[in-house]
Amino acid sequence: GDSVTQMEGPVTLSEEACLTINCTYTATGYPSLFWYVQYPGEGLQLLLKATKADDKGSNKGFEATYRKETTSFHLEKGSVQVSDSAVYFCALSDQGNTPLVFGKGTRLSVIA
Amino acid sequence: GAVVSQHPSWVICKSGTSVKIECRSLDFQATTMFWYRQFPKQSLMLMATSNEGSKATYEQGVEKDKFLINHASLTLSTLTVTSAHPEDSSFYICSARQDSGANVLTFGAGSRLTVL
Repeated sequence: GDSVTQMEGPVTLSEEACLTINCTYTATGYPSLFWYVQYPGEGLQLLLKATKADDKGSNKGFEATYRKETTSFHLEKGSVQVSDSAVYFCALSDQGNTPLVFGKGTRLSVIA
Repeated sequence: GAVVSQHPSWVICKSGTSVKIECRSLDFQATTMFWYRQFPKQSLMLMATSNEGSKATYEQGVEKDKFLINHASLTLSTLTVTSAHPEDSSFYICSARQDSGANVLTFGAGSRLTVL
């Protein structure tokens, strides 16, 4: 079945450091890929998405590129802020009316 | 943008009682909603797919008689945890897929259940 593997956390960075959270996937078809963010005490929010190969999703300074050849969708940000501290989930969905399959989440802590 | 409201946001109940959690899409219709359960420091586990006007589809290992799902309208799905026990304590999150538009889910803020 479909699955998502993302790097284990927690990740602790200083403010303005570069961030990369690795995410790879296994899917039978051509899935859509997503990054969701969960701030402390809140539900999940869609951060960005990409629906086909070579698409780049971006939002709030974060970006991720859909790499079909490496089945990856790594999340990157050039300069993190304390307010970026959260848990980040990589997810995929096959085309059609199917639910998301989530990775285990990566907790990011950014310190001033 | 699309908003999903989940209520209550937190609930404490005694063992053996039943608890109902509501999930409402506020400004869009959702034929399909999903219920997830999140364990501490772990990912979200899909419990069931809720379809308006028909029975929910449960994932393997999820007791349908324990977790009753009703999708009575295009904007409301409910999850009832029946005869709750401490091991049912968890964070329950619903999500809704807009009937129109791309394959993107909007999530509720979650409901934290604590069973004493």
